[in-house]
Order: sequence, then structure tokens, then C-alpha cells
Amino acid sequence: NAGVTQTPKFQVLKTGQSMTLQCAQDMNHNSMYWYRQDPGMGLRLIYYSASEGTTDKGEVPNGYNVSRLNKREFSLRLESAAPSQTSVYFCASSKDGRNTGELFFGEGSRLTVL
Amino acid sequence: QQPVQSPQAVILREGEDAVINCSSSKALYSVHWYRQKHGEAPVFLMILLKGGEQKGHEKISASFNEKKQQSSLYLTASQLSYSGTYFCGTYGSSNTGKLIFGQGTTLQVKP
Repeated sequence: NAGVTQTPKFQVLKTGQSMTLQCAQDMNHNSMYWYRQDPGMGLRLIYYSASEGTTDKGEVPNGYNVSRLNKREFSLRLESAAPSQTSVYFCASSKDGRNTGELFFGEGSRLTVL
Repeated sequence: QQPVQSPQAVILREGEDAVINCSSSKALYSVHWYRQKHGEAPVFLMILLKGGEQKGHEKISASFNEKKQQSSLYLTASQLSYSGTYFCGTYGSSNTGKLIFGQGTTLQVKP
């Protein structure tokens, strides 16, 4: 069982370039999340998807778009990357996204924007 | 709104105890606790629900005071493997499914 798989694991971009972070889970979970982690800031929610076809903004959605392609996949797109988006990005999933659902995290994607 | 954790950092010797606190300005339905080791993904520790129910996988205890909107994680007889950053997460009153994490508490256990 792979769990939550993120690609790529590392990426370097120039300011203004675009890219998509891919996330897939094989646990038949309904809810999926994208977080970013910066030193001293903890894990901040970018976007959340309760189920296939639905997405909702989190704490820091500006500069990002998401797509819940199907139940398994949830992608995060940076249309015009900025140095402030240098961070480690984590995708996570949970069975139902309600109070009793623990989150399973991917290994993270480290993004550097020059 | 992000829950607030305290302290920000703790240094212990093996065998000592630690308490990590998590508080919110909003009413809480539940509190999650996760641990992250350096360079790794966060890993689930436990969920505390209203009414006192707990769901967890490790021998780490916690409390949840609904009236005070606070939770505390108790690490007793610390082991070297307890080192890492601990995060609490809350859904808040809206129960939308959006789990919001605190800024984290870094715990270092020394031999």
C-alpha cells in the first residue's frame, strides 16, 4: 500500500514559471488536503477537498489553484511562481474529513522559487 | 484561526515529563495531535473528541477541556524517540472538515 504519493519531491523554479504538484492516494479516502510548511509557521492549509468535484479555500489560497480530478487525485497548481511560495508542500487525505478522521500525509514536495 | 501552542520549544533529558498545550479562540469539536520528525511527514498520534472520547495509537495521553477550548498532550518518561515537532490541529466550530494546525512545539530529548 503506497498511501499518499506526491510528485515531484524536489523542484526548482524561476519567478513567473508555472508548475503542478501531483498527489494521489490509494486508500479510497473522500477528503484531501494541501498544506504548506514554513519554518516557525507550522502547517498552513492551502486548499481542501471534501469529495470528488468539490474544493474549498484554506488559510493561504492566494497564488494557488487546485483540481480534484477524481477520488484518488488532487493537484496543486502555481500559475506564476513567486519566491514567497518557496516552501515544503504536503498533501494529505482522510476517510471522511470530519472530526473523527485522522490525516495521512505524503512525504512532501520541496519547492524553491528563485 | 490558527490554534496557539505553548511552549514553542522544550528540551528534556530521557525519563523526564513534558506537557504541550493547545488553545483556541473558537469552540472546539475535536483536537488532533501529530508528530513530525525532521525531514519527514507528520504522523497521527491521537484525536480527542467532545465528551472525552480518545482515539490514538501510541502510549501518549492527552486531555481536552471543551469549556476552556484547550487541549494538553502529556509525554511521560520521555524517550529519545519522542524528539520531534508536535502539532495540534482543530476543526473549530464550523466543522467544515478543514483541519487547521498550530505553529508547532519542538521537543528535544537528550540522553
